[in-house]
Amino acid sequence: GAVVSQHPSWVICKSGTSVKIECRSLDFQATTMFWYRQFPKQSLMLMATSNEGSKATYEQGVEKDKFLINHASLTLSTLTVTSAHPEDSSFYICSAPTGTSSYEQYFGPGTRLTVT
Amino acid sequence: AQSVTQLGSHVSVSEGALVLLRCNYSSSVPPYLFWYVQYPNQGLQLLLKYTTGATLVKGINGFEAEFKKSETSFHLTKPSAHMSDAAEYFCAVSLGGGYNKLIFGAGTRLAVHP
Repeated sequence: GAVVSQHPSWVICKSGTSVKIECRSLDFQATTMFWYRQFPKQSLMLMATSNEGSKATYEQGVEKDKFLINHASLTLSTLTVTSAHPEDSSFYICSAPTGTSSYEQYFGPGTRLTVT
Repeated sequence: AQSVTQLGSHVSVSEGALVLLRCNYSSSVPPYLFWYVQYPNQGLQLLLKYTTGATLVKGINGFEAEFKKSETSFHLTKPSAHMSDAAEYFCAVSLGGGYNKLIFGAGTRLAVHP
């Protein structure tokens, strides 16, 4: 099946700094990718839809200037958490639909962000 | 608007017992329905999906689910639980087509005891 990777798998940063998380589709092209946030023992909340070559679409309540999304190529989307604060600590997961079975999404392994 | 309700945030079964995880959905159009499993500190893995056609769908690891339109349900079952089934399970719905966003239920944590 299709593979989606994320890097890094975990990161610790100081409050006020920025962190970039990468999401890659390894064996297929993805014009769309999705970014989710998951708090401990909770469900996944969709943050934004990343669109290759155009601006991301953010869900209501998600700060565009804080969570910068760039989808520069058909295999890479990045999420940058700017001026991170402890409340941004969370598990961030990306997903991508494949072209062959467009109703299936493949999920990355997630990135654990801890802001100290 | 679409929504998903998973009844029971925690389910505990004995090894070898039937597993039943409940999911009800709300959708204004025929939904696409999914069950995903998540192991600790990992991403989500697709167990099974319903799009159209046969309402009883079989997935990986012996799981299956039945789409019941009249009950707006998509419950997940497995005849005999294994210790390795212990994980978090999420039901999700989409309007159709992978380019539409998934709406997830709150999740059900399955515990399997000897």
